[in-house]
Amino acid sequence: KNQVEQSPQSLIILEGKNCTLQCNYTVSPFSNLRWYKQDTGRGPVSLTIMTFSENTKSNGRYTATLDADTKQSSLHITASQLSDSASYICVVSRPVGSWGKLQFGAGTQVVVTP
Amino acid sequence: NAGVTQTPKFQVLKTGQSMTLQCAQDMNHEYMSWYRQDPGMGLRLIHYSVGAGITDQGEVPNGYNVSRSTTEDFPLRLLSAAPSQTSVYFCASGRQGQIHEQYFGPGTRLTVT
Repeated sequence: KNQVEQSPQSLIILEGKNCTLQCNYTVSPFSNLRWYKQDTGRGPVSLTIMTFSENTKSNGRYTATLDADTKQSSLHITASQLSDSASYICVVSRPVGSWGKLQFGAGTQVVVTP
Repeated sequence: NAGVTQTPKFQVLKTGQSMTLQCAQDMNHEYMSWYRQDPGMGLRLIHYSVGAGITDQGEVPNGYNVSRSTTEDFPLRLLSAAPSQTSVYFCASGRQGQIHEQYFGPGTRLTVT
């Protein structure tokens, strides 16, 4: 069973609308949680990184939240644009020193339509 | 800076053939890694390296070899390709530190027939 579960698997939203993506994880202990954006045919690009002590982190129209007690994170996209069409991946990192110990979710595919 | 570069972008192999996927970075990062991405699954770590001369296995290392003779390069070798190795392969690099941010290459789409 994947230790990082994302929902929904995919969603379609109208340009200009907001949406929220969910990430539940069971990785423990963990160092930080990241959200990546992956455009079709490209490698993932980091949007936000939050340590276990942070509750929220913003990057432009992207806002990530983290509840380390319930092991849940969300990514909120505000006023969506066509360029937001991509896969959004939640990644949980094990503690510092655990090189290569990233747990990736399967991603949420977002399609923004005009 | 070019960042992380990968070659080739696409490759088709026949079962049993061998090949090397190339990865290079110009950011002087200590850490480099190889992942595979399959539909409906998260990226899975194949091998990684924390510096020249040092490599270690990830989650799915079978059928793949790596070496790290320089800081810049981290090639991935498929010894005898199998259809199960059809996937998209990503190389990533990062600097040692608290957050350990990783930067991904553009990927290599490999098909094994």
